[in-house]
Amino acid sequence: GAGVSQSPRYKVAKRGQDVALRCDPISGHVSLFWYQQALGQGPEFLTYFQNEAQLDKSGLPSDRFFAERPEGSVSTLKIQRTQQEDSAVYLCASSLTAGDNEQFFGPGTRLTVL
Amino acid sequence: KNQVEQSPQSLIILEGKNCTLQCNYTVSPFSNLRWYKQDTGRGPVSLTIMTFSENTKSNGRYTATLDADTKQSSLHITASQLSDSASYICVVSPRGDNAGNMLTFGGGTRLMVKP
Repeated sequence: GAGVSQSPRYKVAKRGQDVALRCDPISGHVSLFWYQQALGQGPEFLTYFQNEAQLDKSGLPSDRFFAERPEGSVSTLKIQRTQQEDSAVYLCASSLTAGDNEQFFGPGTRLTVL
Repeated sequence: KNQVEQSPQSLIILEGKNCTLQCNYTVSPFSNLRWYKQDTGRGPVSLTIMTFSENTKSNGRYTATLDADTKQSSLHITASQLSDSASYICVVSPRGDNAGNMLTFGGGTRLMVKP
């Protein structure tokens, strides 16, 4: 595709449910980033992949959050035992190479935990 | 801790008017600063990028300025249109090989343009 795509666009989960959010980066992009964006706030870094390697997961708020990119393309962000404070928009971004390059963002997945 | 502060938090202007959004940062050493536009329900899209040696950069009706000495940037929107209604996010990148995962995002300014 021409850009970064994410699915689902909207997800409603009951507290305690597990959810999986998918990101399809721009083809050939080496770097992939996940961000969490609360309403009215800027994105907050969660984790970063270079190809299939997860090089930085310092932003993951708890061990309930897990991300993977097993083949160096599609990535999945999994949240176990969701809680209300997990409600946010989860943005995925990719960039052509590692380092300081423009990140191209997907439309995000809006997660609402009831 | 690196910080990026934006002001105002929100702004309402009439169609056709100009406006200026502010961004102050503490990131050091500094590599570049980007302004992103984020429409409701969409991901951020880059408008401009400036390195520490650049003072101004234009993209159509959008003009960004940078003062690396005072660590301030502004985004000026000329002759605003209804489609300019969005959040504008200032993003600062530090210098370094792994700068991509060290971006610092501001909280954004939510601009509403009314007819």
